[in-house]
Amino acid sequence: GQQLNQSPQSMFIQEGEDVSMNCTSSSIFNTWLWYKQDPGEGPVLLIALYKAGELTSNGRLTAQFGITRKDSFLNISASIPSDVGIYFCAGPRGGKLIFGQGTELSVKP
Amino acid sequence: GAVVSQHPSWVICKSGTSVKIECRSLDFQATTMFWYRQFPKQSLMLMATSNEGSKATYEQGVEKDKFLINHASLTLSTLTVTSAHPEDSSFYICSATTGPGLAGQETQYFGPGTRLLVL
Repeated sequence: GQQLNQSPQSMFIQEGEDVSMNCTSSSIFNTWLWYKQDPGEGPVLLIALYKAGELTSNGRLTAQFGITRKDSFLNISASIPSDVGIYFCAGPRGGKLIFGQGTELSVKP
Repeated sequence: GAVVSQHPSWVICKSGTSVKIECRSLDFQATTMFWYRQFPKQSLMLMATSNEGSKATYEQGVEKDKFLINHASLTLSTLTVTSAHPEDSSFYICSATTGPGLAGQETQYFGPGTRLLVL
């Protein structure tokens, strides 16, 4: 089925480094959502974007809704060990959520 | 706000038994609830969409007689895995939404998940 293309699939970084991941689609989305999933837990909503060009921050996290409405990125600044987890982008389509494949983030203290 | 709970958080059962998982929206009324299944290191796979008071809509390949969904109220949906077998072992996650709302804004809030192990 339709899926968002999320990259990179995994990242191994040093504590304190900045992180950037992105999501692209061949079709337009009117909403972009970024979730984080810790091991054994459900996804937690980090940032919701509703307008093309919108740039939204949540603490050390910043996400942007691409102007073409076909992409979005998520940045994490000054990473810390608790940032470890899987990050998913998602967009609603036909009453359902379409998910990216996820970016697994590992942070080395 | 927008808290979704699931119960139980984990369950171990014998093959052939049925298991019921509850999903509740604690501080909002959910027009729609969703049930997902997730395998290790993979994204979430939608199983079915559930609206209060109506029959669930199942995704292709999901057996509706195997995975019974009841959406009794605007705050409660249940998933029953009937005659569970080892291949049904997985992580089941529900989510809830209030619907598109203004300007088409639509957000799903997820429960913490239920780990099912069928022996």
